[in-house]
Amino acid sequence: AQKVTQAQTEISVVEKEDVTLDCVYETRDTTYYLFWYKQPPSGELVFLIRRNSFDEQNEISGRYSWNFQKSTSSFNFTITASQVVDSAVYFCALSSGTYKYIFGTGTRLKVLA
Amino acid sequence: GAGVSQSPRYKVAKRGQDVALRCDPISGHVSLFWYQQALGQGPEFLTYFQNEAQLDKSGLPSDRFFAERPEGSVSTLKIQRTQQEDSAVYLCASSLLIFGEISGNTIYFGEGSWLTVV
Repeated sequence: AQKVTQAQTEISVVEKEDVTLDCVYETRDTTYYLFWYKQPPSGELVFLIRRNSFDEQNEISGRYSWNFQKSTSSFNFTITASQVVDSAVYFCALSSGTYKYIFGTGTRLKVLA
Repeated sequence: GAGVSQSPRYKVAKRGQDVALRCDPISGHVSLFWYQQALGQGPEFLTYFQNEAQLDKSGLPSDRFFAERPEGSVSTLKIQRTQQEDSAVYLCASSLLIFGEISGNTIYFGEGSWLTVV
């Protein structure tokens, strides 16, 4: 079975703090892809990153960074020096051998000024 | 257009009413998906089109749900005799490539159609 768990329902931080959003996944496939999407209040899911199962190299994009660890089946997302505009719901998703995405339940991030 | 466009953005339907939700994918995108997102949940797969062919409708909750993409571009999700449990955001997404050629292809979502059944 495939599953994505985002245990943190809601996180509140003060602006400029760093914050890490956790994602744990389950799949029996050896080839799979992991994604992070941001959903602002407007509702659109904004693509942030895709990572395949053979590439465990961590990635940094500006204030965003991702830590992929196959040993713990985790794909965590860190925002450095958070800003109010980062406030949104963040979803982790899994796709393995199929076109279907399996989404987690999301983490609501509130960044307070 | 530049992104996936959906209409209407908001729809309030009386129970038993039929509704139609439209999706205009990114130009040239072959694959099109519909997802349903209940309040406080992640999106769940409904159906997949490759051009005009509906290759997978396994996620449609009941036979009251029907989707089509007759010319391989715009798609419509129709819900007949709406019920309160149909209240959700319906997200359309598209992708340039055909799945099966390159697995794990990135899909791009629209803003969704927020359906409330009263």
